[in-house]
Amino acid sequence: GQQLNQSPQSMFIQEGEDVSMNCTSSSIFNTWLWYKQDPGEGPVLLIALYKAGELTSNGRLTAQFGITRKDSFLNISASIPSDVGIYFCAAMNYGGSQGNLIFGKGTKLSVKP
Amino acid sequence: NAGVTQTPKFRILKIGQSMTLQCAQDMNHNYMYWYRQDPGMGLKLIYYSVGAGITDKGEVPNGYNVSRSTTEDFPLRLELAAPSQTSVYFCASSYSAGGLSGQYFGPGTRLTVL
Repeated sequence: GQQLNQSPQSMFIQEGEDVSMNCTSSSIFNTWLWYKQDPGEGPVLLIALYKAGELTSNGRLTAQFGITRKDSFLNISASIPSDVGIYFCAAMNYGGSQGNLIFGKGTKLSVKP
Repeated sequence: NAGVTQTPKFRILKIGQSMTLQCAQDMNHNYMYWYRQDPGMGLKLIYYSVGAGITDKGEVPNGYNVSRSTTEDFPLRLELAAPSQTSVYFCASSYSAGGLSGQYFGPGTRLTVL
């Protein structure tokens, strides 16, 4: 079946550093989403991407929809302690009768003050 | 708006017991989903619904059942609990099909089967 390979699995960074993580697949998708999950909570949508090559920002977060439509990247600038959590990529193909999200396994981010 | 609510937050079951995980949303979303999340893994889709009276299987439906009698509620039923069903269960809803514009998640139910 379709799979999303998310890397790195975990990151330990110093407060103030920039963070990069990515998500790749052997399949083509026409929508990429990035979620953040805080401990003990459900995931929350950060950024949605709908067009190949699209670059979208949400505050200190920037995500890109890869030109091949098989990957996406998330960058966090100037990390702060509240950035701690698990970041999930998700992808889908919409259109037709149904389409459902596929999730990556997540990147666990730890930030040292 | 309360968003997506789930009850209970925690539950311990014995093997073979049954239970229903409750999920409700007050955003008038047609699309609702049940996921399970195992440690270090992403979310796996169990069942989903595109509207009241319509449900369909996701990636991992075995051992579960759902119903959708109203737009607001989407309960998940475990008939014969097994240790392999120990997981955190998330309910979600969305305005658009498949969560194209993003899915709204509940806080989760942590289930342990012993």
